[in-house]
Amino acid sequence: TQLLEQSPQFLSIQEGENLTVYCNSSSVFSSLQWYRQEPGEGPVLLVTVVTGGEVKKLKRLTFQFGDARKDSSLHITAAQPGDTGLYLCAGGGADGLTFGKGTHLIIQP
Amino acid sequence: DAGVIQSPRHEVTEMGQEVTLRCKPISGHNSLFWYRQTMMRGLELLIYFNNNVPIDDSGMPEDRFSAKMPNASFSTLKIQPSEPRDSAVYFCASSLDLGSGYEQYFGPGTRLTVT
Repeated sequence: TQLLEQSPQFLSIQEGENLTVYCNSSSVFSSLQWYRQEPGEGPVLLVTVVTGGEVKKLKRLTFQFGDARKDSSLHITAAQPGDTGLYLCAGGGADGLTFGKGTHLIIQP
Repeated sequence: DAGVIQSPRHEVTEMGQEVTLRCKPISGHNSLFWYRQTMMRGLELLIYFNNNVPIDDSGMPEDRFSAKMPNASFSTLKIQPSEPRDSAVYFCASSLDLGSGYEQYFGPGTRLTVT
């Protein structure tokens, strides 16, 4: 069974600060997806990374896939209250997606 | 497109009762997934289908859980009999096809409470 560990589990910061959340595994994944989930809704895909070392930017969000394709990070610059939510990483393999437990992020105005 | 549709959105039932959750995937999507989410265990994959055929049900916790996909536009997840530990949010998701690179589109979930 492939496991994904996400850290931190909870993070509460002030608006305007920067933050990084992590997704780590001992297994190699063919791809890594990041989802954001808001209360009362299902997860929504933010990005998919497939190449070791790949970096993708989505406005103030920067996603990186580790060189060995075992880990990933999400960096948010100048966080805003609208970034509040549960951030889930999901590793892709032959059996489909394996989700981490997520990072609960709260951005306080 | 209406996205993935799930019903009901909320279900409260007593222990021992049968519960049926319903899902309509996005039209044209060949793969359908059922997940369960709790604070303790996160998002767990229960079962998934491809072209209406169950591919892997190893995540189904017990024989009390069963899932069907009689056609490309409808799937059900049934719990019989239900127990308090089944309380969770159940999500249905669909994707164009199986494969790690395909985005999964999630429904809004069904919040199940078993008392």
